[in-house]
Amino acid sequence: DGGITQSPKYLFRKEGQNVTLSCEQNLNHDAMYWYRQDPGQGLRLIYYSQIVNDFQKGDIAEGYSVSREKKESFPLTVTSAQKNPTAFYLCASGVDRGLSYEQYFGPGTRLTVT
Amino acid sequence: AQKITQTQPGMFVQEKEAVTLDCTYDTSDQSYGLFWYKQPSSGEMIFLIYQGSYDEQNATEGRYSLNFQKARKSANLVISASQLGDSAMYFCAMTDTGNQFYFGTGTSLTVIP
Repeated sequence: DGGITQSPKYLFRKEGQNVTLSCEQNLNHDAMYWYRQDPGQGLRLIYYSQIVNDFQKGDIAEGYSVSREKKESFPLTVTSAQKNPTAFYLCASGVDRGLSYEQYFGPGTRLTVT
Repeated sequence: AQKITQTQPGMFVQEKEAVTLDCTYDTSDQSYGLFWYKQPSSGEMIFLIYQGSYDEQNATEGRYSLNFQKARKSANLVISASQLGDSAMYFCAMTDTGNQFYFGTGTSLTVIP
C-alpha cells in the first residue's frame, strides 16, 4: 500500500540529546514537509523539501535539521539547541495539482523530552 | 500576519444535522489552494477537501462541501448529515505560490447523539 510512515509513534529522550525522527514515503511525491503541533494549536512548518538534496526552512527551523538524500526519505533531527522539543511531529508529502500542492500526512511521532 | 483564521474553537452538532466550520484566509496571491483536514484523537491528519482559487464551482466530496467566497476570502467547510465519527479537530489550510502550507488553529467538533 502507498503511504507515509513515521517511526516511532512515541519517543522519549533526555534533555541534551539529539534525536532523529524518521519519515518515509512510497507515493513518489517530490515534496516533503515537517510540521510541529503543540496542544491547542495548528501545525507550524519546520522544514520542507521540493526536490532531493534541497530543502528550505519553515517558520520554526531553529534547533532542527533535515536531510533529503533520497526522494523517499526526509528525516528530521531535533537537536539539543531546540529549547522546547516536546511536541507532536507530523511529516507530509506533496503532489502538484497544477496550481498548488496537495498534502498527505503520516501518523505522527509524539516526542517527549525530560 | 495570520494567513488562516478559524474563529470557532469548539462546535457542537446534533447527529444527522449539518454543520458549518468557518475559515477565512489572507493572501495577496491570485493563485492559491485551500484545504480542510480532519484530525481525530489518534493524531493523524486526514485530507478532506480541496478548492483551487480559480475553481468557480464549490468543491464537494461526499458529505463535505467547501463554501468558497473569494471576495470575502472565506472557505467554510460544510458537513452534512453529521455522524458520531465526525467528532474531531478540523483544520483549514492554505498554500500560495510559495508552496508552503499555512494552518489555522483548528475547530473541535463534537457530534451529539
